[in-house]
Amino acid sequence: QKEVEQNSGPLSVPEGAIASLNCTYSDRGSQSFFWYRQYSGKSPELIMFIYSNGDKEDGRFTAQLNKASQYVSLLIRDSQPSDSATYLCAVMAGNQFYFGTGTSLTVIP
Amino acid sequence: DVKVTQSSRYLVKRTGEKVFLECVQDMDHENMFWYRQDPGLGLRLIYFSYDVKMKEKGDIPEGYSVSREKKERFSLILESASTNQTSMYLCASSLSGYWTYEQYFGPGTRLTVT
Repeated sequence: QKEVEQNSGPLSVPEGAIASLNCTYSDRGSQSFFWYRQYSGKSPELIMFIYSNGDKEDGRFTAQLNKASQYVSLLIRDSQPSDSATYLCAVMAGNQFYFGTGTSLTVIP
Repeated sequence: DVKVTQSSRYLVKRTGEKVFLECVQDMDHENMFWYRQDPGLGLRLIYFSYDVKMKEKGDIPEGYSVSREKKERFSLILESASTNQTSMYLCASSLSGYWTYEQYFGPGTRLTVT
């Protein structure tokens, strides 16, 4: 049973639109939640993390956490072609990290 | 900025060879991790270490071993490389504490075993 589930996509949005990426997790004891961006052929880079229920905003990115429903999402406002990448959701439960398989996002100019 | 470096970006080895992948971090992080990443399977944890000379098996440790003799260095060893170990290998490091800190990744090593 997978710990972290993501829709693999691909997700396509036009430039300037809002991209919405979703992630669900199975362990109710999960404490910390992370979003990584990975460009093709590159390693993942952290873009957001969230610990508490609610929203956390950083520039064009907003992370949303709902522990009762066990989901975490990432919204990208004013999407740019440079946002085209695979987005990985990661969840910390106990002392283990669990990564989703990623959602591929393409922003169409 | 945290810097995690890996010894090689690309590596080609023959079946049966012993392979060493080196990872070094410069931020005094306690935790270090080795993952492999394959299309459709995502990141899978091979081994991690939370202190010098300490190691814990991850989800797929078979065919691998690790060494952590110094805090900044974490090595992954393929005792006898096989073609199914062809993959992208990623090293990561993080601080340790009650709240989990984010992991910082190295650039990756793309290993091909022929």
